[in-house]
Amino acid sequence: AQKITQTQPGMFVQEKEAVTLDCTYDTSDPSYGLFWYKQPSSGEMIFLIYQGSYDQQNATEGRYSLNFQKARKSANLVISASQLGDSAMYFCAMREGLIRRSSYKLIFGSGTRLLVRP
Amino acid sequence: IAGITQAPTSQILAAGRRMTLRCTQDMRHNAMYWYRQDLGLGLRLIHYSNTAGTTGKGEVPDGYSVSRANTDDFPLTLASAVPSQTSVYFCASRRTGDNEQFFGPGTRLTVL
Repeated sequence: AQKITQTQPGMFVQEKEAVTLDCTYDTSDPSYGLFWYKQPSSGEMIFLIYQGSYDQQNATEGRYSLNFQKARKSANLVISASQLGDSAMYFCAMREGLIRRSSYKLIFGSGTRLLVRP
Repeated sequence: IAGITQAPTSQILAAGRRMTLRCTQDMRHNAMYWYRQDLGLGLRLIHYSNTAGTTGKGEVPDGYSVSRANTDDFPLTLASAVPSQTSVYFCASRRTGDNEQFFGPGTRLTVL
């Protein structure tokens, strides 16, 4: 079974508008972490934001926020005020077993390609 | 060096040949990882190392081996390359206690 599902292969957004990229996950572990990475056309992987399963507040980092709905097992990324430089692939990832310190493996979704229109 | 470097940047390799992808980090991170990225599949973990001297298998370890003789270096070896190993390979590292993994620029490998 897929652990991380990103159902939007591609999305468009108008510059300066907000956009939500969907991510659902599947785990039976009570402690886990959720990540979003950005991959521009140059190929590097850039860390954007992290949410722990026990965090009370939704994570925010500048224009990025993570809409964490634990009961629904979703961790959607919201980008506010989109910029042309936001055009990239976006990957959602999960790390299970936060308490088991030997396990820091990331499981990635298949990604969403975002194109920001001027 | 700043961060993670990978070499080579790209390589075309004949099937059956042996190949080592190099990864070096200067951040003194204890944990290091190797992923492969294929179209439509995101990144998949090949092998990892929580600290120098230890390694572990990830999601897709077959056909690959790693070693971790010191903190800085984490080479990935393909003993006998096959076309299905054509991919982009990313090395990553993480500081103990942190959640974020830092990624290298990647190596694009084509096996013919």
